[in-house]
Amino acid sequence: EVQLLESGGGLVQPGGSLRLSCTASGFTFSNYAMSWVRQAPGKGLEWVSSISPSSNYTYHADTVKGRFTISRDNSKNTLYLQMNSLRAEDTAVYYCVKRSVPGSYYFDYWGQGTLVTVSS
Amino acid sequence: QSALTQPRSVSGSPGQSVTISCTGTSSDVGGYNYVSWYQQHPGKAPKLMIYDVTKRPSGVPDRFSGSKSGNTASLTISGLQAEDEGDYYCCSYAGTYTWVFGGGTKLTVL
Repeated sequence: EVQLLESGGGLVQPGGSLRLSCTASGFTFSNYAMSWVRQAPGKGLEWVSSISPSSNYTYHADTVKGRFTISRDNSKNTLYLQMNSLRAEDTAVYYCVKRSVPGSYYFDYWGQGTLVTVSS
Repeated sequence: QSALTQPRSVSGSPGQSVTISCTGTSSDVGGYNYVSWYQQHPGKAPKLMIYDVTKRPSGVPDRFSGSKSGNTASLTISGLQAEDEGDYYCCSYAGTYTWVFGGGTKLTVL
């Protein structure tokens, strides 16, 4: 059974940093591209970042480019999101998301999410 | 990377059909056959319902169907059931390994 377990969320002041982690199990993590998707309270979903299976390629939404960095450690089956220069508008539940088979362009499994609150 | 446009809400009675639209541009919905739909219940993670415009994952009832015409994709739910109530989000590939979601539609089963 595929499981994605996020951690690292919490309360942080504007301008601060936070690193989210996502531990994967139930599939061969190193074979799949992964992403982060966020959802502000009461709002819709927003794609944040994606990374290729071997970390050769990373992509970020314009809203977080230059502030957030996605990375992975395939030896630990773990996905990361380093978030710097946090703003109030970054407050959201952050979901770790698995892309489906190589060559696909949809997300087949989602974690339960971790809440990040940016506030003074 | 502007969000795709969805109606804020739709409703229907049990047994009826409802359709949720999702309008984008030629750079996303119209440019690729990679539209997916996700169902989300309150406090839960989204669940994949439709991918590649028309395909259903294993376990999703065939009451759910997808289509696309030009820059607009649609999700149709036939034979509405109480458990279909929730929020629905469309998502489109937008090139260079980026994605864009719709603003979400709240489905109410009357």
